[in-house]
Amino acid sequence: DAGVIQSPRHEVTEMGQEVTLRCKPISGHNSLFWYRQTMMRGLELLIYFNNNVPIDDSGMPEDRFSAKMPNASFSTLKIQPSEPRDSAVYFCASRPGRDEGQFFGPGTRLTVL
Amino acid sequence: GENVEQHPSTLSVQEGDSAVIKCTYSDSASNYFPWYKQELGKGPQLIIDIRSNVGEKKDQRIAVTLNKTAKHFSLHITETQPEDSAVYFCAASRAGNQFYFGTGTSLTVIP
Repeated sequence: DAGVIQSPRHEVTEMGQEVTLRCKPISGHNSLFWYRQTMMRGLELLIYFNNNVPIDDSGMPEDRFSAKMPNASFSTLKIQPSEPRDSAVYFCASRPGRDEGQFFGPGTRLTVL
Repeated sequence: GENVEQHPSTLSVQEGDSAVIKCTYSDSASNYFPWYKQELGKGPQLIIDIRSNVGEKKDQRIAVTLNKTAKHFSLHITETQPEDSAVYFCAASRAGNQFYFGTGTSLTVIP
């Protein structure tokens, strides 16, 4: 099993540019989570999906952030326009069932200059 | 919502000694408690979990205990090794819901 796959692993962009992060969950997992991790704020949940449907997006910081899950094997997190304060490591995680642990991907390190 | 507190924030132990990390939670309906290990530059990795119908679970050198009445749970690592050095996170959740993570404990095992 390849685990959760995220791309790109590193992204450096300039303020105002659009950024798209991608995630492929583990096959058969029916929940997907997007997190952001910084030294100051720790691990923050941005949004999660059950069976491709967004359940809770209250963690999305503002309208510049959007996430989609068009099918069970793919999700994107988009930031438009990006700002320096968005610099962080973004993790995607998937979960096989309601009462199971989440499995995290390797993360995308985003730097906005 | 749920509130998870984790202590200590940093912990240093000599190789071979035991390490204990403690977490408390506020929502009595929480019934699933995983622990994650995060090494530098990597994503958190699930190392052990416990459900509310169990008081203790052990997997080789790591164990987790749960006290539902007091709403606290702990991670115990015995015979620590340098490769145990990492940041450890606890979490609490209700089935099907999001995880609420603690703030993390940076464990250093001194050879």
